[in-house]
Amino acid sequence: QQQVKQSPQSLIVQKGGISIINCAYENTAFDYFPWYQQFPGKGPALLIAIRPDVSEKKEGRFTISFNKSAKQFSLHIMDSQPGDSATYFCAASDNYGQNFVFGPGTRLSVLP
Amino acid sequence: ETGVTQSPTHLIKTRGQQVTLRCSSQSGHNTVSWYQQALGQGPQFIFQYYREEENGRGNFPPRFSGLQFPNYSSELNVNALELDDSALYLCASSSDRVGGYTFGSGTRLTVV
Repeated sequence: QQQVKQSPQSLIVQKGGISIINCAYENTAFDYFPWYQQFPGKGPALLIAIRPDVSEKKEGRFTISFNKSAKQFSLHIMDSQPGDSATYFCAASDNYGQNFVFGPGTRLSVLP
Repeated sequence: ETGVTQSPTHLIKTRGQQVTLRCSSQSGHNTVSWYQQALGQGPQFIFQYYREEENGRGNFPPRFSGLQFPNYSSELNVNALELDDSALYLCASSSDRVGGYTFGSGTRLTVV
């Protein structure tokens, strides 16, 4: 119930391509869904987040798509750049961010 | 505006010993959460402190304990260290328990 599943485990994309990472959850009490980016040796940094009352949120090259009925959400990175190479984590929480449940992560490599 | 700072950055301890990790929250933030991130995995919630009181706890044994001080800085204490405690320990702060947590770079703990 508390688990957040994430796929793929790793992703290789050419520069300029679209990176897509998918997540699924079971707990319908979750009401806040952030995506974090983590570089080696650093803590996770918040990229973008969404509440379940909207189906899509876009910030620059990053877009979250949210499907409440399917209990799935995804991160799209448009025009992927080598600097986007990092590990991406989806997360979910109830009570608006009190305790996050993280997915296992996706290691993205963007080739120049 | 300062971010979240954690100390030390790296630490090596022997099994059975005790360790204290420290976190200074971002200016203006009164909520601190601690996460354990094993190698290649997503962070796992340990506990959260809000205004010096524990405000939620994940599935970690009582030998993991914490404190939050009046200036909202925090400590994570782990007693009777086990080899499986080897991980990156992350501190995250926010304002009034809401989303948009800022993570520190973590303390890498190695138990030998």
